[in-house]
Amino acid sequence: EVQLLESGGGLVQPGGSLRLSCAASGFTFSDSAMYWVRLVPGKGLEWVSAISSSGFNIYYADSVRGRFTIYRDNSKNLLYLQMNNLRAEDTAFYYCAKGDKINGWGSWGQGALVTVSS
Amino acid sequence: QSVLTQPPSASGTPGQRVTISCSGGSSNIGSNTVNWYQHLPGTAPKLLMSSNNQRPSGVPDRFSGSKSGTSASLAISGLQSEDEADYYCAAWDDSLKAYVFGAGTEVTVL
Repeated sequence: EVQLLESGGGLVQPGGSLRLSCAASGFTFSDSAMYWVRLVPGKGLEWVSAISSSGFNIYYADSVRGRFTIYRDNSKNLLYLQMNNLRAEDTAFYYCAKGDKINGWGSWGQGALVTVSS
Repeated sequence: QSVLTQPPSASGTPGQRVTISCSGGSSNIGSNTVNWYQHLPGTAPKLLMSSNNQRPSGVPDRFSGSKSGTSASLAISGLQSEDEADYYCAAWDDSLKAYVFGAGTEVTVL
């Protein structure tokens, strides 16, 4: 059974940093592209970033490019999202997800809440 | 403003058919598959419809999807109370090099 477990969320001041982690199990992590998607309260779902199975290909939403960094450790089955220079509009539940661009994201974690506020 | 356009709300009585539209462009829906997600408050989103019209395992067959040109739709036949949720369409956009979502449609069962 595929399991994804996010951690690292919390309250941070504007301009601060957080690192989210996603621990994966139940599938061959090193063969899977991975994604971060956020749910902004009152606004809806927004794709944040994607990373290929090797980590070679990386994509970001315009809203986070230059501030967020996605990376992975295939030896530890871990996915990360380093978030710097956080803004109030980054407040959201952050989910890691597994899937592909054709068939969608069939597996999701339970989410990590990030609140950016002074 | 979302790249994909969905109606903000839809409703129906139990047993009715409800259809949610998703309109995009040549670089997203026109070139790539559409996936639909269901979100219930307090839970993680769930993949409801894959690759335009494929139901993942466990999704009831009252849900169906279709795509034509730069538009897609999700239909719920035989609406049930547990179908009250937010529904989002999504697709990869070749021009933006990004995944794009619709703003979501809130389905209410009257």
